[in-house]
Amino acid sequence: DAEITQSPRHKITETGRQVTLACHQTWNHNNMFWYRQDLGHGLRLIHYSYGVHDTNKGEVSDGYSVSRSNTEDLPLTLESAASSQTSVYFCASSGTGVLFNEQFFGPGTRLTVL
Amino acid sequence: AQKVTQAQTEISVVEKEDVTLDCVYETRDTTYYLFWYKQPPSGELVFLIRRNSFDEQNEISGRYSWNFQKSTSSFNFTITASQVVDSAVYFCALGMDSSYKLIFGSGTRLLVRP
Repeated sequence: DAEITQSPRHKITETGRQVTLACHQTWNHNNMFWYRQDLGHGLRLIHYSYGVHDTNKGEVSDGYSVSRSNTEDLPLTLESAASSQTSVYFCASSGTGVLFNEQFFGPGTRLTVL
Repeated sequence: AQKVTQAQTEISVVEKEDVTLDCVYETRDTTYYLFWYKQPPSGELVFLIRRNSFDEQNEISGRYSWNFQKSTSSFNFTITASQVVDSAVYFCALGMDSSYKLIFGSGTRLLVRP
């Protein structure tokens, strides 16, 4: 069965360190997204990609970067982790078609920055 | 600007009660899509329903029903005869035809007590 996975599921790091969160999907979806979930804010879009070598900034992109070298993966990098980036991170993917397709979400990564 | 408002932060009901979760959206697009997702205590995000702006028919799926009203820009979700397993955070989301991005509301936490 097709799926979307994230690793690690939990991560504790220190302020100033570089951190990379992995996202891998086997749906063969063109669209991939990274969100962060914080209490009272729902899910907020960090970065997204519509295909290989395409990346775009979302509403809360400062301090984050992504790259898309193949269809399956969209890693999220925190260049210099800050305590404000402590959050739960979700990756999602969706297909393209005539209608707006639903997004499928990974299980999430809980990141703590000390 | 596009926006989704879920004014109910938390709702608590007793098992078997009916409960309605409100969702109000804002968009100037004529073609858009509305979604509901469920996030149970285990943390994953589960897709429940997608509705297109040009289809105002209400939908029923078992104990779940959705009321889409363009006149009031609302897409409310009703659970009939609630069960403890319905306890979760529920998110309403808006997607525009011009992109594949979703804008999420802040979520409503539903607690169903036995």
